Amino acid sequence: TQLLEQSPQFLSIQEGENLTVYCNSSSVFSSLQWYRQEPGEGPVLLVTVVTGGEVKKLKRLTFQFGDARKDSSLHITAAQTGDTGLYLCARYNFNKFYFGSGTKLNVKP
Amino acid sequence: EAGVAQSPRYKIIEKRQSVAFWCNPISGHATLYWYQQILGQGPKLLIQFQNNGVVDDSQLPKDRFSAERLKGVDSTLKIQPAKLEDSAVYLCASSLGPPHPGLAGGPRETQYFGPGTRLLVL
Repeated sequence: TQLLEQSPQFLSIQEGENLTVYCNSSSVFSSLQWYRQEPGEGPVLLVTVVTGGEVKKLKRLTFQFGDARKDSSLHITAAQTGDTGLYLCARYNFNKFYFGSGTKLNVKP
Repeated sequence: EAGVAQSPRYKIIEKRQSVAFWCNPISGHATLYWYQQILGQGPKLLIQFQNNGVVDDSQLPKDRFSAERLKGVDSTLKIQPAKLEDSAVYLCASSLGPPHPGLAGGPRETQYFGPGTRLLVL
């Protein structure tokens, strides 16, 4: 199965708080992508992680790929209202991209 | 640089009617994807083109869905006849080239998505 499970499904926090969202699979994947999708728009690629244990930072966003390459996390420090959106993880297997169902984040002012 | 263009942005039809969506990828992008995103779910790949050839259409419901990219640039996706469960956002994406098996995440493989067409079937 290519199933990617994302948690939590929904997250509502105040501006300035920290948060972590997760992407898990029962099988190993060679690489993983994280996207953000704003309402009424298509997803935008944030990062691709390829090496087990890899950590990548994008301003206030920190992405981690699990050592066993079965899970990944996205941590946002001091969330801002502009971080509001749907966060999707995706894997590439057998010539296809498979997306998780996403975490819907709402950052309140 | 202009992004991926899609039209229409919204469409409401009755079941059993036909509908077509249009996508204009970023200039020079050889690979084009159509995805279906049902409310509350992530995008699901329907079909992938490399220039004007089909690379993968294994998840395209071929009894009612069809897609073409005749000149290797613009693409159309058609549904005929539509069912209630086809209500979704239809996303088009393009990239310079197809992903490598290991997906290193290089610029050539990066997918750029259009804003989508929201379809409601009544």
